Amino acid sequence: QSALTQPASVSGSPGQSITISCTGTSSDVGGYNYVSWYQQHPGKAPKLMIYDVSNRPSGVSNRFSGSKSGNTASLTISGLQAEDEADYYCSSYTSSSTPVFGGGTKLTVL
Amino acid sequence: QVQLVQSGAEVKKPGSSVKVSCKASGGTFSSYAISWVRQAPGQGLEWMGRIIPILGIANYAQKFQGRVTITADKSTSTAYMELSSLRSEDTAVYYCASTYCSSTSCYRWFDPWGQGTLVTVSS
Repeated sequence: QSALTQPASVSGSPGQSITISCTGTSSDVGGYNYVSWYQQHPGKAPKLMIYDVSNRPSGVSNRFSGSKSGNTASLTISGLQAEDEADYYCSSYTSSSTPVFGGGTKLTVL
Repeated sequence: QVQLVQSGAEVKKPGSSVKVSCKASGGTFSSYAISWVRQAPGQGLEWMGRIIPILGIANYAQKFQGRVTITADKSTSTAYMELSSLRSEDTAVYYCASTYCSSTSCYRWFDPWGQGTLVTVSS
């Protein structure tokens, strides 16, 4: 199972909005509404931010939102804050009944 | 909610094996599947496999088939990941991550994660 495709890096200024894409195939992202997103700060474990494409766990800011169109899922962060600077990973359930991760995107808050 | 605490860092020789533990607390161990995900230095996340302790069933990513064994001890609420025939490319932080399972199916996301265990393979 090939890794999902994410941009290596994105950046934005405080207060702006950014979107991170996650592209797969009909055997993963496009075939199931089981995309999740994780935030990882340096030296820390990943933290769940979005599950099942667009659902936010309790405690996650509503500045984070998720969506999907075809084989591409997206994570949008609005009102960027310095604390949002981190690596972000998408993950999808696949037709092999196993998960696959994206390569990760480094978000820089300018 | 369950919390996961992993064992400490390991340094291993090439060709040897490593066994990392992941102890769950604060939840019902039998209600969760435990996955293992690794992250090589400066690299992304890679799913290795998972176990559903209540069933004792483990499945593995094809890449690791034959080299990884995931087990669970329900009496101590602890999951284990053993990786054999270690090589330098196995140097990574290894995470356990939980997935809630109902009587019929498991969720498709990972929450929470353990703190990670650094495994260094070096001669």
